[in-house]
Amino acid sequence: QKEVEQDPGPLSVPEGAIVSLNCTYSNSAFQYFMWYRQYSRKGPELLMYTYSSGNKEDGRFTAQVDKSSKYISLFIRDSQPSDSATYLCAFNTGNQFYFGTGTSLTVIP
Amino acid sequence: DTEVTQTPKHLVMGMTNKKSLKCEQHMGHRAMYWYKQKAKKPPELMFVYSYEKLSINESVPSRFSPECPNSSLLNLHLHALQPEDSALYLCASSQDVPAGVDNEQFFGPGTRLTVL
Repeated sequence: QKEVEQDPGPLSVPEGAIVSLNCTYSNSAFQYFMWYRQYSRKGPELLMYTYSSGNKEDGRFTAQVDKSSKYISLFIRDSQPSDSATYLCAFNTGNQFYFGTGTSLTVIP
Repeated sequence: DTEVTQTPKHLVMGMTNKKSLKCEQHMGHRAMYWYKQKAKKPPELMFVYSYEKLSINESVPSRFSPECPNSSLLNLHLHALQPEDSALYLCASSQDVPAGVDNEQFFGPGTRLTVL
């Protein structure tokens, strides 16, 4: 079993839609949960991070963590064409980062 | 300044060439990383430096040689690479390697390397 599972997509949504991106993980040592956004031919950019179960909101973005189910989600409200990118979930044991494969998102105007 | 810079942006090299990738940060971070990313794949960790000492080497071939001259700089020396080494090479930094609520990684824009 892979330590991190993420649906690669691609995912296409109309502008204004709510987007839900998800990752599952198997390693109980993961302590920190992150979402990165990566535009084509650019380095990943940290969007959100959290270390506890529950929801964390930042503008149009909400990160959700369910440690009991080993499941994290990123919700994007009122999606914009500028949100078109690859979204990577990432996990940190404290010594090493693990990335999901990334989900490619296209928001269509 | 929350920026990690990398030079060059693009590099084309032959299999017999020797070249170096450079990374710089001025955030006072004490952990720096090299990742390799192939198209449509997640970043793969290569090396971790903590307090200017190599702390993790993920079984990377010796044709890749990292160097940390000081706490702000990280180099990756390349020699006798293969075409399959063509990828985006990403540098990242974080406050420290042990866990901490402020231990986010900041990535540079990457160097796009092509080996002919």
